[in-house]
Amino acid sequence: QKEVEQDPGPLSVPEGAIVSLNCTYSNSAFQYFMWYRQYSRKGPELLMYTYSSGNKEDGRFTAQVDKSSKYISLFIRDSQPSDSATYLCAMSSRGTGGFKTIFGAGTRLFVKA
Amino acid sequence: DTGVSQDPRHKITKRGQNVTFRCDPISEHNRLYWYRQTLGQGPEFLTYFQNEAQLEKSRLLSDRFSAERPKGSFSTLEIQRTEQGDSAMYLCASTLAEGRGEQFFGPGTRLTVL
Repeated sequence: QKEVEQDPGPLSVPEGAIVSLNCTYSNSAFQYFMWYRQYSRKGPELLMYTYSSGNKEDGRFTAQVDKSSKYISLFIRDSQPSDSATYLCAMSSRGTGGFKTIFGAGTRLFVKA
Repeated sequence: DTGVSQDPRHKITKRGQNVTFRCDPISEHNRLYWYRQTLGQGPEFLTYFQNEAQLEKSRLLSDRFSAERPKGSFSTLEIQRTEQGDSAMYLCASTLAEGRGEQFFGPGTRLTVL
């Protein structure tokens, strides 16, 4: 079993739809949760960062963490064609050697105009 | 531009050749990571440095791979005797060791081994 599971998609939605992207994880030591957006042939770009369970909102994006269920989500409201990209979840724990970060495989999202 | 930069952006080489990639992190970041990403996968950890010290290496990093960060600023990743299986995107990321762990990525170097 992978430490982080993420549905690879692809997920195709019409413009304006609400998008829900999810990851599950198995390691309860993870404390920090991130979402990255990656356009084709580019490096990942940090979108959202959360530390504890609960919701964090930034513009059209909302990140949700449920540590009891080991489940994180990213919601995109009013999706735009420019949101078409691969979304990677990432999780970190701080150990004696510093942060260990594990990435999901990414979900490919297509937003149709 | 004060982000992470990588050079070259693309590299095509023949099997058996050596290649070297460079990463310049965000200037105040003391921790630097190298990852490898293949199609349809997330980044896989290769190694990381805190300042000039290489603190951890993944078992993915065979003895053909070596990384350095001689002055605690830029880093290089060298692959010797390249194999077709080395074809991938090589990503560099940086962060503050005292920070919250969020990593900032460069644009990557796409390696194609023919």
